[in-house]
Parts: sequence; structure tokens; C-alpha cells
Amino acid sequence: AQSVTQPDIHITVSEGASLELRCNYSYGATPYLFWYVQSPGQGLQLLLKYFSGDTLVQGIKGFEAEFKRSQSSFNLRKPSVHWSDAAEYFCAVASGGSYIPTFGRGTSLIVHP
Amino acid sequence: DGGITQSPKYLFRKEGQNVTLSCEQNLNHDAMYWYRQDPGQGLRLIYYSQIVNDFQKGDIAEGYSVSREKKESFPLTVTSAQKNPTAFYLCASTMGQGSYNEQFFGPGTRLTVL
Repeated sequence: AQSVTQPDIHITVSEGASLELRCNYSYGATPYLFWYVQSPGQGLQLLLKYFSGDTLVQGIKGFEAEFKRSQSSFNLRKPSVHWSDAAEYFCAVASGGSYIPTFGRGTSLIVHP
Repeated sequence: DGGITQSPKYLFRKEGQNVTLSCEQNLNHDAMYWYRQDPGQGLRLIYYSQIVNDFQKGDIAEGYSVSREKKESFPLTVTSAQKNPTAFYLCASTMGQGSYNEQFFGPGTRLTVL
């Protein structure tokens, strides 16, 4: 069965600093990987997704993620964080056998001015 | 603009009452989903539907029921059998059934049991 681990419950960064949110997945074949963002009291919005090809994926709002098969990871990065990036971030994985994604528990990003 | 609407935004329920959460989409998507979100637990799948008049249980279906009479609508009923219904409920849809399809989410309904 597919599973996702987001090891960090909370991450605090200063505005302008770089950001990396970790995501590890468990699935035998090449997974379909997603990062979503959720502002307080809102639904989720897709930031980026990876299916195949180039392992570095660009998304919206200046985010990128890198798929590393050897580490079973799909970490989300941003070179310079803005105060508006404060939100909950979810990593999700889907497999060829189950098109319904499994979501991680989320990482809450706090941005200090 | 296409999207998913959920209503109401806030809902209060007394013990023993059934309540129905609305989810409507105008994206012409085939599949629709209901998730429950609790702090620190991510999203847990309640029910999903791939096609009109058909739906399947997710991981935590007990105490919930759904219907899919129209492609654009997928209401969720929280019954009195659900022992701890206070949570944030999210409805989502996808164009098809492939694993590569991103999910589009509604703004959510926050249900509180009084």
C-alpha cells in the first residue's frame, strides 16, 4: 500500500529565507507525486506534480520539488519565502493501481517577519 | 469561473441530528470525493464516486452516507451514528480516474457538534 510521511509538523522560517519541506513516500513503482497548499479555513490548491521525466519540477508561486528515487523523497523548496506563504502544505502520492491519492499529515509553515 | 462550491461554510449540529453538506462542481468532472480533516491528521477519505449513481466507501465511511444522482452534485450526510463528527470537511473532484489527475478542492465546511 502507498503511504506518505511528512516528518515535520511545524517549520518556522524568517521572511526571505530559503525553505525545504520534506516528503517521503512508500511505493514500489514510480509514483505520482503532488504538493498541495492550504490557507487557513480554505480548500487545498495544487502547487506542483511529478509523473515522469525531469526530476526537478517547477510549480506555481515560485515553488519547486525534486524527485529522488534513491531516497524515496519528493521535497518541496523555495529560495525566498514571503509572509503570504504561511500555510499548511500537504504531500500526496498516487499509484497506478489506486488513482486515489494518499495524503501526508501536513506541515505547517510559519513565517516570521 | 469553473470550480467547486460547498455549503454551508459553517454548520452546527445537535447531538442525534443528521446534517447534509452540499458539494457542487461545474468543472464537468467525473469523479468526486469527500474528505475529513482533523488537526494533525491530514485528509482522510470518507466516500468517493467515479460515476453517477455509483459510489464507494473510503477509509472512514462509518456514520456517513452519500448520493450521486447528478454528475455535478455529491452531497454528504453526517448521521447520528457518527460519534465524533466535529471536523473540517472537504469535497474534491477530478477529471477522470487516472492517478495523474490532480484533485480540485472546494473551500470546505466546518461542522461543529453542540
